[in-house]
Order: sequence, then structure tokens, then C-alpha cells
Amino acid sequence: ETGVTQSPTHLIKTRGQQVTLRCSSQSGHNTVSWYQQALGQGPQFIFQYYREEENGRGNFPPRFSGLQFPNYSSELNVNALELDDSALYLCASSPDSNNQPQHFGDGTRLSIL
Amino acid sequence: QQQVKQSPQSLIVQKGGISIINCAYENTAFDYFPWYQQFPGKGPALLIAIRPDVSEKKEGRFTISFNKSAKQFSLHIMDSQPGDSATYFCAASMIGWGKLQFGAGTQVVVTP
Repeated sequence: ETGVTQSPTHLIKTRGQQVTLRCSSQSGHNTVSWYQQALGQGPQFIFQYYREEENGRGNFPPRFSGLQFPNYSSELNVNALELDDSALYLCASSPDSNNQPQHFGDGTRLSIL
Repeated sequence: QQQVKQSPQSLIVQKGGISIINCAYENTAFDYFPWYQQFPGKGPALLIAIRPDVSEKKEGRFTISFNKSAKQFSLHIMDSQPGDSATYFCAASMIGWGKLQFGAGTQVVVTP
């Protein structure tokens, strides 16, 4: 059984740039959630995708957007990067039936200079 | 508004001792309470989870105790080992709801 994989593992950008992060779901899972984890804090929910549709969103501005593809892989896009966007971005997948449990990848560490 | 409050922030325990981490929640609609373990440079890994219809769940050395009336739950790590040194997060959600609400985390250090 293949777990959740994310790419890239690390990324450095400058303010104002745009970034795309990628996630492959665990085999058999068709629901993907994205979280932002600032240093020393718990993960914060960004949004969830189920069967290619956004299925819930946290308190993040519209410059955070996502996509889910027919093979259930997913992208997180962030426009107009700000210094506060520096964080670990985590993807989690879950089975269709009840959205739990969620299994996390190892994340993408994004640094904004 | 922080919906899940976790304490302590950090914990040092000797090998063989018991680590206890506590969490309290606000939303009575929550019905799923997982604990995650996170090592540096890794994503959170699901450790154990409980639904509110039971007061305790045990898996190996890890036990969740749940008090529905007090809106509190805790993780006990028995016979703590140096390999248990990690950050532990409690979380809460509702079955069918995608959002996990996490606590702020507890850094556990197990000394040899």
C-alpha cells in the first residue's frame, strides 16, 4: 500500500511569487486535505477536495487555491507569496466513506525570503 | 478561537515512566478524537483515535482516556522509551467533516 507522497520536499521563494505544491493520495483514498503548519504550532486546515470538488475551506484567503485530479492527486497553489506563508504544508488523504482517519505525507517545507 | 487546548507544552520523562498529555475541546459536536505523533522532518502519523461512545481505548503502550461531560481527553504513554521522543498532537473533528482541529502540540523527551 503506497502512502501519501508530496513534492517537492523543500522550496525557497521570494515575496510576490507563486508556488505549486503536489500531493499523491494513499492508494484507495479519494479525499485530500491540505494543512499549513507554522514552526512550533499544530497544523491548520486550508481546504479539502473530494472527487475533484472543494469540500470545505478553513480561514485562508483566496490566494490559496487547489485542484484535485481524476487520479485523486492534488495541487495546492499559493499566489502573491508573503513572508508569513513560510511553513510546512501537509497533505492528508482519507477514505471516501467518512473522511477519517486522515493519513499525512511528510510535507513540503516552504521558505519565503 | 482555539477549539482544542493542549497541555503541557513540553514534557520530560525518564525511560520506563508514564507520559500524560491532556486536551480539552469546546465544540460538543465533535465525535472523533485522534492523536498524532510527529518526528522532526516528518508529517504527523496517526497513533490512536477514539469516539465518544467509549471512555478508554488502549493500543499497546498508548491509551486514550475520554471524559465526555468534562469535554476532555488525554493520552497516556506507558513504559516510555527514548524512541517515543517526539511532538504529540491531539485533534478533534466530526465524522464526515473534513477539518481536523489540532491542539498546539506537546514535545515529549524521554531520557535514558
